[in-house]
Amino acid sequence: AQSVAQPEDQVNVAEGNPLTVKCTYSVSGNPYLFWYVQYPNRGLQFLLKYITGDNLVKGSYGFEAEFNKSQTSFHLKKPSALVSDSALYFCAVRDWRNQGGKLIFGQGTELSVKP
Amino acid sequence: DSGVTQTPKHLITATGQRVTLRCSPRSGDLSVYWYQQSLDQGLQFLIQYYNGEERAKGNILERFSAQQFPDLHSELNLSSLELGDSALYFCASSPAGGRAYEQYFGPGTRLTVT
Repeated sequence: AQSVAQPEDQVNVAEGNPLTVKCTYSVSGNPYLFWYVQYPNRGLQFLLKYITGDNLVKGSYGFEAEFNKSQTSFHLKKPSALVSDSALYFCAVRDWRNQGGKLIFGQGTELSVKP
Repeated sequence: DSGVTQTPKHLITATGQRVTLRCSPRSGDLSVYWYQQSLDQGLQFLIQYYNGEERAKGNILERFSAQQFPDLHSELNLSSLELGDSALYFCASSPAGGRAYEQYFGPGTRLTVT
Protein backbone atom coordinates (compact mmCIF):
# COMPACT_ATOMS: atom_id res chain seq x y z
CA ALA A 1 0.00 0.00 0.00
CA GLN A 2 1.10 3.56 -0.63
CA SER A 3 1.70 5.42 2.58
CA VAL A 4 3.61 8.21 4.23
CA ALA A 5 4.63 8.44 7.86
CA GLN A 6 5.74 11.41 9.89
CA PRO A 7 6.99 9.89 13.13
CA GLU A 8 6.97 13.10 15.16
CA ASP A 9 3.78 14.94 16.05
CA GLN A 10 5.79 17.94 17.19
CA VAL A 11 9.29 19.28 16.72
CA ASN A 12 10.66 22.05 18.92
CA VAL A 13 13.67 24.08 17.82
CA ALA A 14 15.38 27.23 19.02
CA GLU A 15 15.62 30.07 16.56
CA GLY A 16 18.89 29.95 14.61
CA ASN A 17 19.34 26.22 15.11
CA PRO A 18 19.02 23.70 12.27
CA LEU A 19 15.73 21.87 11.97
CA THR A 20 14.72 18.49 10.61
CA VAL A 21 11.18 17.21 10.08
CA LYS A 22 11.14 13.51 9.32
CA CYS A 23 9.19 11.63 6.68
CA THR A 24 9.30 8.04 5.49
CA TYR A 25 7.33 6.57 2.63
CA SER A 26 6.16 3.30 1.20
CA VAL A 27 5.27 3.18 -2.49
CA SER A 28 5.47 0.83 -5.40
CA GLY A 29 7.54 2.24 -8.19
CA ASN A 30 9.38 5.53 -8.22
CA PRO A 31 8.05 7.98 -5.65
CA TYR A 32 6.96 11.53 -6.33
CA LEU A 33 7.39 13.22 -2.96
CA PHE A 34 6.26 16.60 -1.68
CA TRP A 35 6.38 18.85 1.35
CA TYR A 36 3.61 21.31 2.12
CA VAL A 37 3.27 23.82 4.95
CA GLN A 38 0.07 25.00 6.59
CA TYR A 39 -0.03 28.17 8.62
CA PRO A 40 -2.94 28.73 11.05
CA ASN A 41 -6.22 29.34 9.24
CA ARG A 42 -4.51 29.08 5.88
CA GLY A 43 -4.41 26.59 3.04
CA LEU A 44 -1.57 24.29 2.13
CA GLN A 45 1.44 25.94 0.56
CA PHE A 46 3.84 23.98 -1.61
CA LEU A 47 7.43 23.92 -0.35
CA LEU A 48 9.31 21.50 -2.55
CA LYS A 49 9.16 18.27 -4.51
CA TYR A 50 11.30 15.32 -5.50
CA ILE A 51 10.51 13.74 -8.85
CA THR A 52 13.88 12.53 -10.10
CA GLY A 53 17.50 13.63 -10.20
CA ASP A 54 19.57 15.12 -7.41
CA ASN A 55 18.74 13.65 -4.00
CA LEU A 56 19.00 17.08 -2.34
CA VAL A 57 16.06 19.22 -3.33
CA LYS A 58 15.88 22.94 -2.60
CA GLY A 59 12.58 24.67 -2.08
CA SER A 60 10.88 27.80 -0.85
CA TYR A 61 11.82 29.86 2.23
CA GLY A 62 15.27 28.26 2.55
CA PHE A 63 13.96 24.74 3.05
CA GLU A 64 15.53 21.67 1.49
CA ALA A 65 14.84 17.97 1.61
CA GLU A 66 16.99 14.92 1.17
CA PHE A 67 15.67 11.92 -0.71
CA ASN A 68 17.16 8.64 0.52
CA LYS A 69 16.00 5.65 -1.48
CA SER A 70 17.63 2.98 0.68
CA GLN A 71 16.04 4.37 3.83
CA THR A 72 12.80 5.34 2.03
CA SER A 73 13.00 8.75 3.65
CA PHE A 74 12.44 12.33 2.56
CA HIS A 75 13.36 14.52 5.52
CA LEU A 76 12.76 18.26 5.44
CA LYS A 77 15.63 20.45 6.62
CA LYS A 78 16.60 24.04 7.15
CA PRO A 79 20.04 25.21 8.31
CA SER A 80 18.77 28.03 10.53
CA ALA A 81 15.20 28.11 11.85
CA LEU A 82 13.10 31.24 12.12
CA VAL A 83 10.22 31.89 14.50
CA SER A 84 8.09 32.49 11.40
CA ASP A 85 8.73 28.87 10.33
CA SER A 86 6.39 27.72 13.10
CA ALA A 87 3.57 25.90 11.32
CA LEU A 88 2.18 22.47 10.46
CA TYR A 89 4.22 20.53 7.91
CA PHE A 90 2.93 17.74 5.72
CA CYS A 91 4.86 15.19 3.71
CA ALA A 92 2.97 13.66 0.78
CA VAL A 93 3.44 11.10 -1.97
CA ARG A 94 1.61 11.04 -5.25
CA ASP A 95 -0.53 7.97 -5.88
CA TRP A 96 -0.58 7.12 -9.56
CA ARG A 97 -2.83 4.11 -9.23
CA ASN A 98 -6.17 3.94 -11.03
CA GLN A 99 -5.18 6.79 -13.37
CA GLY A 100 -5.62 9.23 -10.56
CA GLY A 101 -3.04 11.54 -9.10
CA LYS A 102 -4.17 12.08 -5.57
CA LEU A 103 -1.74 12.96 -2.82
CA ILE A 104 -1.41 10.70 0.20
CA PHE A 105 -0.44 12.79 3.20
CA GLY A 106 1.34 12.03 6.39
CA GLN A 107 -0.35 12.99 9.63
CA GLY A 108 1.54 16.24 9.88
CA THR A 109 4.27 17.57 12.18
CA GLU A 110 3.81 20.72 14.22
CA LEU A 111 7.01 22.75 14.13
CA SER A 112 7.53 25.22 16.94
CA VAL A 113 10.47 27.61 16.75
CA LYS A 114 11.15 29.57 19.93
CA PRO A 115 13.16 32.79 20.11
CA ASP B 1 -1.81 33.08 -3.42
CA SER B 2 -2.11 29.78 -5.30
CA GLY B 3 -4.71 31.00 -7.77
CA VAL B 4 -7.28 28.47 -6.52
CA THR B 5 -10.34 30.06 -4.96
CA GLN B 6 -12.88 28.50 -2.65
CA THR B 7 -16.17 29.82 -1.36
CA PRO B 8 -17.42 30.24 1.24
CA LYS B 9 -14.55 30.54 3.71
CA HIS B 10 -16.70 29.51 6.63
CA LEU B 11 -19.99 27.66 6.83
CA ILE B 12 -22.02 26.90 9.93
CA THR B 13 -25.03 24.68 9.57
CA ALA B 14 -27.15 22.21 11.48
CA THR B 15 -27.22 18.43 11.39
CA GLY B 16 -29.34 17.02 8.61
CA GLN B 17 -28.80 19.98 6.32
CA ARG B 18 -27.19 20.13 2.88
CA VAL B 19 -24.41 22.47 1.77
CA THR B 20 -22.47 23.19 -1.40
CA LEU B 21 -18.81 24.13 -1.46
CA ARG B 22 -17.41 25.78 -4.53
CA CYS B 23 -13.95 25.72 -6.06
CA SER B 24 -12.45 27.59 -8.98
CA PRO B 25 -9.17 26.09 -10.20
CA ARG B 26 -6.17 28.00 -11.50
CA SER B 27 -6.59 29.27 -15.02
CA GLY B 28 -5.90 26.44 -17.45
CA ASP B 29 -5.82 23.65 -14.87
CA LEU B 30 -8.02 20.72 -15.88
CA SER B 31 -7.87 18.60 -12.73
CA VAL B 32 -9.64 19.38 -9.48
CA TYR B 33 -9.16 17.44 -6.28
CA TRP B 34 -11.16 17.61 -3.06
CA TYR B 35 -9.61 16.81 0.32
CA GLN B 36 -11.01 16.78 3.83
CA GLN B 37 -8.90 17.76 6.84
CA SER B 38 -10.18 16.73 10.25
CA LEU B 39 -8.51 16.26 13.61
CA ASP B 40 -9.10 12.52 13.76
CA GLN B 41 -8.61 11.58 10.09
CA GLY B 42 -5.96 14.05 9.02
CA LEU B 43 -5.86 15.05 5.36
CA GLN B 44 -7.88 12.63 3.27
CA PHE B 45 -8.50 12.57 -0.45
CA LEU B 46 -12.16 12.59 -1.41
CA ILE B 47 -12.49 12.79 -5.18
CA GLN B 48 -10.80 13.97 -8.37
CA TYR B 49 -12.26 15.36 -11.58
CA TYR B 50 -10.45 15.86 -14.85
CA ASN B 51 -12.00 18.06 -17.52
CA GLY B 52 -15.51 17.37 -16.31
CA GLU B 53 -15.21 13.66 -15.68
CA GLU B 54 -14.65 11.79 -12.45
CA ARG B 55 -11.09 10.42 -12.44
CA ALA B 56 -10.58 8.91 -9.01
CA LYS B 57 -12.48 8.39 -5.81
CA GLY B 58 -11.22 8.14 -2.26
CA ASN B 59 -13.01 7.58 1.00
CA ILE B 60 -15.92 9.77 0.03
CA LEU B 61 -19.20 9.10 1.81
CA GLU B 62 -22.30 8.34 -0.23
CA ARG B 63 -23.87 11.45 1.29
CA PHE B 64 -21.21 13.49 -0.50
CA SER B 65 -21.09 14.15 -4.23
CA ALA B 66 -19.17 16.40 -6.53
CA GLN B 67 -19.11 17.59 -10.09
CA GLN B 68 -16.98 19.66 -12.40
CA PHE B 69 -18.69 22.03 -14.79
CA PRO B 70 -17.76 23.00 -18.38
CA ASP B 71 -16.02 26.14 -17.12
CA LEU B 72 -13.94 23.76 -14.92
CA HIS B 73 -15.14 25.02 -11.58
CA SER B 74 -16.19 22.30 -9.19
CA GLU B 75 -18.74 21.90 -6.45
CA LEU B 76 -18.76 19.50 -3.52
CA ASN B 77 -22.21 18.73 -2.17
CA LEU B 78 -22.57 17.44 1.37
CA SER B 79 -25.99 16.25 2.49
CA SER B 80 -27.61 14.84 5.62
CA LEU B 81 -24.83 16.46 7.54
CA GLU B 82 -23.57 14.95 10.77
CA LEU B 83 -21.45 16.44 13.53
CA GLY B 84 -18.51 14.37 12.30
CA ASP B 85 -18.57 16.14 8.95
CA SER B 86 -17.19 19.26 10.60
CA ALA B 87 -13.81 19.76 8.94
CA LEU B 88 -11.74 21.91 6.66
CA TYR B 89 -12.40 21.08 3.01
CA PHE B 90 -9.69 21.84 0.52
CA CYS B 91 -9.79 22.00 -3.21
CA ALA B 92 -6.63 21.65 -5.29
CA SER B 93 -6.00 21.93 -9.00
CA SER B 94 -3.26 20.67 -11.28
CA PRO B 95 -2.31 21.30 -14.88
CA ALA B 96 -2.42 18.72 -17.62
CA GLY B 97 0.60 17.17 -19.23
CA GLY B 98 4.08 16.91 -17.81
CA ARG B 99 3.35 18.96 -14.70
CA ALA B 100 0.23 17.07 -13.73
CA TYR B 101 1.88 16.04 -10.45
CA GLU B 102 1.84 19.63 -9.16
CA GLN B 103 -1.16 20.41 -6.96
CA TYR B 104 -2.09 23.92 -5.90
CA PHE B 105 -4.37 24.23 -2.92
CA GLY B 106 -7.08 26.73 -2.20
CA PRO B 107 -7.53 28.37 1.22
CA GLY B 108 -10.22 25.89 2.22
CA THR B 109 -13.78 26.05 3.49
CA ARG B 110 -14.26 25.48 7.19
CA LEU B 111 -17.51 23.62 7.79
CA THR B 112 -19.00 23.52 11.25
CA VAL B 113 -22.02 21.29 11.81
CA THR B 114 -23.93 22.01 15.03
